[in-house]
Amino acid sequence: SAVISQKPSRDICQRGTSLTIQCQVDSQVTMMFWYRQQPGQSLTLIATANQGSEATYESGFVIDKFPISRPNLTFSTLTVSNMSPEDSSIYLCSVAFGGNEQFFGPGTRLTVL
Amino acid sequence: EDQVTQSPEALRLQEGESSSLNCSYTVSGLRGLFWYRQDPGKGPEFLFTLYSAGEEKEKERLKATLTKKESFLHITAPKPEDSATYLCAVQANSGYALNFGKGTSLLVTP
Repeated sequence: SAVISQKPSRDICQRGTSLTIQCQVDSQVTMMFWYRQQPGQSLTLIATANQGSEATYESGFVIDKFPISRPNLTFSTLTVSNMSPEDSSIYLCSVAFGGNEQFFGPGTRLTVL
Repeated sequence: EDQVTQSPEALRLQEGESSSLNCSYTVSGLRGLFWYRQDPGKGPEFLFTLYSAGEEKEKERLKATLTKKESFLHITAPKPEDSATYLCAVQANSGYALNFGKGTSLLVTP
């Protein structure tokens, strides 16, 4: 099975700043996704990271707030822009290898003060 | 709108005491129903995919079943290492998004 890593594992940031989260997979994947897991809430899909094209965002999420890059088949970044305390959450990337199953990274725990 | 409801929110079992977790769902065209296990501070770990009513999957002490409206995760003779949050998610035919429930937090005591 593939190894999925995320950097940073956790961070504490000041409001109004931005943080870029990296997701690296040790093999090529068909699809990559970014989810958010807020305290006491279920995981929610932010966007699908498309290789070579713009990400596809879910309702309620916009590119200006969560810009995403996917320069190749093993790497993606999610930026959380102009942060507020409401952005405090765990951010997770997931990957799919061609089937319907998604496999998750370890997550990035973000606290915004 | 797709909806996933898991019950109970929390469950405490004695070691060896079998039980079931419930996942009720509504989805417009089910592509698949997924079970994950999540340990504190970690990402969800994939357990099972179920595609059609009547399907069952087993792995060690866990067995997942599916009907047209709900799925059950049966835990037989659980051990303390089975303690975790168990997440259920559905995927509709219309896309690849996983729509998750809030999970069941399971604690198995010796």
